[in-house]
Amino acid sequence: DVKVTQSSRYLVKRTGEKVFLECVQDMDHENMFWYRQDPGLGLRLIYFSYDVKMKEKGDIPEGYSVSREKKERFSLILESASTNQTSMYLCASSLSTPGTEAFFGQGTRLTVV
Amino acid sequence: ELKVEQNPLFLSMQEGKNYTIYCNYSTTSDRLYWYRQDPGKSLESLFVLLSNGAVKQEGRLMASLDTKARLSTLHITAAVHDLSATYFCAVGDYKLSFGAGTTVTVRA
Repeated sequence: DVKVTQSSRYLVKRTGEKVFLECVQDMDHENMFWYRQDPGLGLRLIYFSYDVKMKEKGDIPEGYSVSREKKERFSLILESASTNQTSMYLCASSLSTPGTEAFFGQGTRLTVV
Repeated sequence: ELKVEQNPLFLSMQEGKNYTIYCNYSTTSDRLYWYRQDPGKSLESLFVLLSNGAVKQEGRLMASLDTKARLSTLHITAAVHDLSATYFCAVGDYKLSFGAGTTVTVRA
């Protein structure tokens, strides 16, 4: 079974803090993704990585950065957390072959106070 | 910008009856995915549809894809309580664009 593991299920951070969300996958997938899920908006892509040290902006990259130093690990960084970044964050991975499904982690519910 | 629209957004189903969820998208694509999300859980892949006319079935769920109409449907046959969840469609080669989701509640 593909496993995508996110380091925290719940996080509470203060405005202005630097926040790290970590994601690890164990299936040697080339692609990794960070999505944000908000009610009524579905999932929106923040960043995408197709290889180590390679990244592409998604639809809503503002206020976020990412790091992929190893193939299995993809980190999402909130440089200075703000209350409008309170959300559910979902990591996913997939093979590089177009048309293959993405596998999702369990999600991190981040609250910024 | 690729738009993916699902309707309805909320669906109250009666057990034993049939229902359909629609997914319209705005670009030419022949790759469409359906996911299920239970409350508090992550997304689980249901179907991957990779060509015009593709049809896949699993239990009471059947998904189809019409790339010319840019439309996919998820048909639920004889709804049961276990199907209560939120269903998402998504479009793309690898960077997926998601619909807003359809929250399904099945009542007795």
